[in-house]
Amino acid sequence: GQQVMQIPQYQHVQEGEDFTTYCNSSTTLSNIQWYKQRPGGHPVFLIQLVKSGEVKKQKRLTFQFGEAKKNSSLHITATQTTDVGTYFCAGQETSGSRLTFGEGTQLTVNP
Amino acid sequence: DAGVTQSPTHLIKTRGQQVTLRCSPKSGHDTVSWYQQALGQGPQFIFQYYEEEERQRGNFPDRFSGHQFPNYSSELNVNALLLGDSALYLCASSLDQGRYGYTFGSGTRLTVV
Repeated sequence: GQQVMQIPQYQHVQEGEDFTTYCNSSTTLSNIQWYKQRPGGHPVFLIQLVKSGEVKKQKRLTFQFGEAKKNSSLHITATQTTDVGTYFCAGQETSGSRLTFGEGTQLTVNP
Repeated sequence: DAGVTQSPTHLIKTRGQQVTLRCSPKSGHDTVSWYQQALGQGPQFIFQYYEEEERQRGNFPDRFSGHQFPNYSSELNVNALLLGDSALYLCASSLDQGRYGYTFGSGTRLTVV
């Protein structure tokens, strides 16, 4: 079955440093979605990428979808303490199919 | 406010018992999916309901069953509870089987003792 892998599992940064998490699917995806889960909270939808090679930005966050639609990345510029949480990628093999989550990257930011 | 309402927020059950979890989707959403999230792991897909039918199912035993009502709300039932069923159960609602992203509820923390 489809597998989604994410690295790194943990990332500790100083406030102001950049952060990147990488996501790789075992199968070609229709789209990839990114979610953020704060400690003790629930996943919150950040963005969906659909097109091959797509790049989207949300303020300090930059999301990329690979040309082969099998990998993706999330980059945060100049991290802040409010960025703390676990970032999950989740892929759909076909539009409307089940969402398969990666294991997440837990980000901690030291002030 | 997540828009998706789940109840109860916490639950403690004994092995072998049965449990029912409830979910009210975000207004305007027609699809409900259920996920199990163990501590430190990503959510695992249980099943998805659309138009009151189970449309897709993950790798979970038949002890896990569900239902969607005409008002789009949903229930997750788990029979013969095992210790390993202890987890956060998340309900996610969406439009058109999740083509545009999901809105998650705050979850039900189930502890089986």
